[in-house]
Amino acid sequence: DAGVIQSPRHEVTEMGQEVTLRCKPISGHNSLFWYRQTMMRGLELLIYFNNNVPIDDSGMPEDRFSAKMPNASFSTLKIQPSEPRDSAVYFCASSPGGPSYEQYFGPGTRLTVT
Amino acid sequence: DAKTTQPPSMDCAEGRAANLPCNHSTISGNEYVYWYRQIHSQGPQYIIHGLKNNETNEMASLIITEDRKSSTLILPHATLRDTAVYYCIVRVRNAGNMLTFGGGTRLMVKP
Repeated sequence: DAGVIQSPRHEVTEMGQEVTLRCKPISGHNSLFWYRQTMMRGLELLIYFNNNVPIDDSGMPEDRFSAKMPNASFSTLKIQPSEPRDSAVYFCASSPGGPSYEQYFGPGTRLTVT
Repeated sequence: DAKTTQPPSMDCAEGRAANLPCNHSTISGNEYVYWYRQIHSQGPQYIIHGLKNNETNEMASLIITEDRKSSTLILPHATLRDTAVYYCIVRVRNAGNMLTFGGGTRLMVKP
C-alpha cells in the first residue's frame, strides 16, 4: 500500500494568493482528517470527513479555509486568501473506522506564506 | 475524555529498551490507550493501542496496569531512528470521538 499521499510537499506563496492542498487517503479507509501543525500550537485537527461527508469542521480557523472530499479517494484543503499566519505543516490522515481508530498520516505539506 | 500525563523528555541508550510511561488515572472502562509517535519532519505514526490486556506488535509492546490508571510503551531495542516525540492518547473507540494530540514525550536515543 502506498500510504496516504499528499501534494505538494512544499508550497511557497505570497499573501493573498489561493492555496490548494491535496490528499489521497489509503484505499478502503472511510475517514479522512486534515491537521495543521505549528511550533506554537502543536498539532490541531481542522476537519474530519466520514464516508466523504464533513462531520466536524469546528477546527477550521475561519472562512478563508475550506475543505472538500468529492469522492473516497481525494480531498482538498483550500485557503483563500492566504495569510502569513497560515504558514504551517498541513497533514492529511485516514482511518479505517473513524477518528478513534488508528490513523495513518501522510508526509505533510509545508506551507510558507510570505 | 481522560487526561494523560507524560514526562516531557527521556533519554535512552541505543540497543537498550525504552520504557515510556503514561498516567491516565481518570480513564473510564470503555476508553482505549493509543500510542503514536512523530519523527522530526514526518507525519505522526500509529504505534499500538490496547484496552485492558497487554499488547505487542512488530513495533512495540504496551503494558497496561491492572487498574488501567497507567501504561508503559516499550521499545525493546531502541535505535537512533526511534528518536521522536511519543504521544499517549486515551479515547473511546467510536466513530464520533476525535483524537487530540497533547505534548507527548520527546525520546532521545543516544549512541
